[in-house]
Amino acid sequence: AQSVTQLDSQVPVFEEAPVELRCNYSSSVSVYLFWYVQYPNQGLQLLLKYLSGSTLVESINGFEAEFNKSQTSFHLRKPSVHISDTAEYFCAVSGTSGTYKYIFGTGTRLKVLA
Amino acid sequence: GAGVSQTPSNKVTEKGKYVELRCDPISGHTALYWYRQSLGQGPEFLIYFQGTGAADDSGLPNDRFFAVRPEGSVSTLKIQRTERGDSAVYLCASSFYQGAHEQFFGPGTRLTVL
Repeated sequence: AQSVTQLDSQVPVFEEAPVELRCNYSSSVSVYLFWYVQYPNQGLQLLLKYLSGSTLVESINGFEAEFNKSQTSFHLRKPSVHISDTAEYFCAVSGTSGTYKYIFGTGTRLKVLA
Repeated sequence: GAGVSQTPSNKVTEKGKYVELRCDPISGHTALYWYRQSLGQGPEFLIYFQGTGAADDSGLPNDRFFAVRPEGSVSTLKIQRTERGDSAVYLCASSFYQGAHEQFFGPGTRLTVL
């Protein structure tokens, strides 16, 4: 069985400040890792994913996440946030075979303050 | 192109009634997933279709829940004898094929059982 923990339910941060959203997972098998973002009144959108290879993955809008196998973590970071980054962020894992269904964390609400 | 669509966007029903929720996946996507998101939680897996067949229904909470995908495209989630605890946002996602590693989510149907 797999599980995902997002310890921070809400993270307030001032505009242009750095942010880290934490994600830890538990699994007895290999996993793929994902971050999805949900902007207000919109559906879930893929932000970035780790499948294999380089443990550091980046999105087109400046977010990055690093897969750390020893710490079973996949934290999301951005060096300078914008008001438009205000959203809910979900970390998810799937197995590397089978149905590839997602197991999601409970989400972190990022609120960027002016 | 068009994304995943779900109808209705909102459904209010009374305890004990029957409801159907519809999902139109992206054209050509063979894999289809249903998730349920309760307030303050991340989405939870319900059922997965590969083509017309339900390949994994391990997330359905009980036998009041049933889903079909008769022609391998549109899917309907059916809930019998609804209970107040069924109130949630029901999300549908599709991917190009099993193992495509990115699921595209619809906007969801918000079900309220009075």
